[in-house]
Amino acid sequence: DTAVSQTPKYLVTQMGNDKSIKCEQNLGHDTMYWYKQDSKKFLKIMFSYNNKELIINETVPNRFSPKSPDKAHLNLHINSLELGDSAVYFCASSPRQGSYEQYFGPGTRLTVT
Amino acid sequence: AQSVSQHNHHVILSEAASLELGCNYSYGGTVNLFWYVQYPGQHLQLLLKYFSGDPLVKGIKGFEAEFIKSKFSFNLRKPSVQWSDTAEYVCAVNGYGNNRLAFGKGNQVVVIP
Repeated sequence: DTAVSQTPKYLVTQMGNDKSIKCEQNLGHDTMYWYKQDSKKFLKIMFSYNNKELIINETVPNRFSPKSPDKAHLNLHINSLELGDSAVYFCASSPRQGSYEQYFGPGTRLTVT
Repeated sequence: AQSVSQHNHHVILSEAASLELGCNYSYGGTVNLFWYVQYPGQHLQLLLKYFSGDPLVKGIKGFEAEFIKSKFSFNLRKPSVQWSDTAEYVCAVNGYGNNRLAFGKGNQVVVIP
């Protein structure tokens, strides 16, 4: 059983389009995260939700909007995609807020052309 | 702000050689420290962690890491590597009072049979 899953694994799209990436965890964790792996390969936090409540909202363009319909899901919607959005996006979860042992999804490689 | 630096991004070594990967962090207070590993085709997963107590931490597959507070370091070691240790190794830190992890760029380790 996959603990943290993301769909799709690969996403190729054109500039200006709107796309979503879905994340689901079956670990019963309270806290979920979205990370962006930048061109220098650093993982940078974008958002974090705890029990469906937004707790971290880093300085990202407001074209990025997370949505957590329940604590097992954290989706990322991106409007008006730009070339610079091309990256690998990772979802992760942890048992509770303040627990930094994180469980990662496989990543979604987004390519904007 | 908390940050992590890892050097020697690409490491190539033969089986049975010893491995040491450096991890230095910048944060003046109490820290939680982690090493994550990503094997080819797999998710990023926790290798070992340090919260408190014995600064020498044992992880899975014969890995260990030593927290040296005076050097702000948490280096990863394995006395004798195997081909199956080929992977990406990423160091991460959470400074007390921060609600997030900071990740290093990772070390790509290739073990030649």
